Amino acid sequence: DTEVTQTPKHLVMGMTNKKSLKCEQHMGHRAMYWYKQKAKKPPELMFVYSYEKLSINESVPSRFSPECPNSSLLNLHLHALQPEDSALYLCASSQDTSYNSPLHFGNGTRLTVT
Amino acid sequence: GESVGLHLPTLSVQEGDNSIINCAYSNSASDYFIWYKQESGKGPQFIIDIRSNMDKRQGQRVTVLLNKTVKHLSLQIAATQPGDSAVYFCAENMGSGAGSYQLTFGKGTKLSVIP
Repeated sequence: DTEVTQTPKHLVMGMTNKKSLKCEQHMGHRAMYWYKQKAKKPPELMFVYSYEKLSINESVPSRFSPECPNSSLLNLHLHALQPEDSALYLCASSQDTSYNSPLHFGNGTRLTVT
Repeated sequence: GESVGLHLPTLSVQEGDNSIINCAYSNSASDYFIWYKQESGKGPQFIIDIRSNMDKRQGQRVTVLLNKTVKHLSLQIAATQPGDSAVYFCAENMGSGAGSYQLTFGKGTKLSVIP
């Protein structure tokens, strides 16, 4: 079992809906990440949070809004998504961003936009 | 732009044989590399990492080799088992400087183990 927990595991939403993806880790990590993964493709970086502050936004559309309420939690708020946004959304954490350490991934939320 | 790529998209090996999965990277400034294993329906799972000041690192049944001269990374799995069947990704740190850790993934290789 992974130490990064993501909920829900599956989500189906319409293009006018507002939903949120949640991620939690209790490893004391101070960096958290959102990745998007389409079928048979590698994960693509979306956002990086370091010490609860957004440090990297990879030109992600504003219909995706990240939030880091505290060092253990990371949310991704979704609004007015498009069908092409359907994908596996992966959360990850690492000890820090100031030195190299492996990312620990959750099992993702599989999102379907109808 | 610069990116991490893989030579072989699929690899089939007989159970008990050794597997070698290759990865080419183009960013000569990358200083940290990781191999991940992703099983169906799961997130990527850390296998082994290596820093650019090393050329070889061994784990349990796995070895990562780094050749900076030709910008090549490989993962060797000894005595491959059915449980090793998965997609394997190499990833490199594309960021530079403190606080800019950006892990970028290669295209992935699907490893199928034949019983």
